[in-house]
Amino acid sequence: QVQLQESGPGLVKPSQTLSLTCTVSGGSITSDNYYWTWIRQPPGKGLEWIAYINHSGRTYYNPSLQSRITISLDTSKNQFSLRLSSVTAADTAIYFCARYSSSRGTGWFDPWGQGTLVTVSS
Amino acid sequence: DIVMTQSPLSLPVTPGEPASISCRSSQSLLESTGYTYLDWYLQKPGQSPQLLIYLVSNRASGVPDRFSGSGSGTDFTLKISRVEAEDVGVYYCMQALESPHTFGQGTKLEIK
Repeated sequence: QVQLQESGPGLVKPSQTLSLTCTVSGGSITSDNYYWTWIRQPPGKGLEWIAYINHSGRTYYNPSLQSRITISLDTSKNQFSLRLSSVTAADTAIYFCARYSSSRGTGWFDPWGQGTLVTVSS
Repeated sequence: DIVMTQSPLSLPVTPGEPASISCRSSQSLLESTGYTYLDWYLQKPGQSPQLLIYLVSNRASGVPDRFSGSGSGTDFTLKISRVEAEDVGVYYCMQALESPHTFGQGTKLEIK
């Protein structure tokens, strides 16, 4: 079955750029009808959808973060990535990657990666 | 953005007893196709969220039949017929109608 695994630095300095990668195994990110997603969760708080991208590179961003985020695909590595610029302490969170089913009559996030904690601190 | 509001935020339950969580959206989640895009997720302690229910009332693969979802338009309910110890965690509703996808605040279920 499809599995997702996040990777990236656990500590980022304020004002710098956070970069994370999600590696997909057991399936191809070029498959139709899926969007590859980033979601985050500040410690002890709820879930916030960040962005997603499909196999053709179509992207959707959360307007609250849009000016600072870029999501991209690397089909050769079966990975997708997130870049979040100008980070502050408010960006400290567990970052999850997930697959979103987007064909007609579907609309859910499954599966999810295990999540990676990113702390913004000097 | 569509605002999702859950209640209660904390839910202590005795094992074997039923439990119910309410979720309300700020606008209808019914699409013109007839599908209603409301999902439920459970985040067990120390784990990532897992899909429980999709499109209001469809259980995800492997989800026990003690979990059920219902509702329409803007009002939805997740019910657990008989709570078990393994059901502890935070339950989230989420709207999949449009981007940005938004989640409820979460309901923390604990065992009494």
